Amino acid sequence: GAGVSQSPSNKVTEKGKDVELRCDPISGHTALYWYRQSLGQGLEFLIYFQGNSAPDKSGLPSDRFSAERTGGSVSTLTIQRTQQEDSAVYLCASSLGGARQETQYFGPGTRLLVL
Amino acid sequence: QQQVKQSPQSLIVQKGGISIINCAYENTAFDYFPWYQQFPGKGPALLIAIRPDVSEKKEGRFTISFNKSAKQFSLHIMDSQPGDSATYFCAASRGSTLGRLYFGRGTQLTVWP
Repeated sequence: GAGVSQSPSNKVTEKGKDVELRCDPISGHTALYWYRQSLGQGLEFLIYFQGNSAPDKSGLPSDRFSAERTGGSVSTLTIQRTQQEDSAVYLCASSLGGARQETQYFGPGTRLLVL
Repeated sequence: QQQVKQSPQSLIVQKGGISIINCAYENTAFDYFPWYQQFPGKGPALLIAIRPDVSEKKEGRFTISFNKSAKQFSLHIMDSQPGDSATYFCAASRGSTLGRLYFGRGTQLTVWP
């Protein structure tokens, strides 16, 4: 079946603009994660959704970042008033039930460049 | 604060050689340690994972060695091939944070033919 998909693949924006990044998880997966990958920094956890539970937002770096998940499927990560330090690859992952030791399946990422 | 420390940052190995990547952690609550492989332009993909109740896990040419007392774990790639050239990330998770993974900064492996 189809894997995790993300759109757009690339996004170039100007400092101060808002951007929306989309993630379509694997069908039937109830857990969804957002990570940020900056050059030489590994993957940084941003937010985690599990079913109808309140999301774990503990990794969001500032209140300019927000995410929602509609209907338990598609998720959108929004960055308001983008800054140059927001430039990174934003990765989405999903897993079947959100159990701790499940495999997380990653999408190809959205490469964001803030000029 | 980086909860999982990974080294080296880059590694060059001859074809047929052994690639070794090391990771260390401080939080003894970590109890699941996966390794992810990432090719350019792709998302990371799970390669192999280990739980601390075993000291070694092998899948094909890939082996994880785990030293609980030293709080270290490593990935060994035997008979390294040019197709293994990728970035490798170690990670860890703990019960209180459900599925959240704490990643190392990655190792860029290049295998020369």
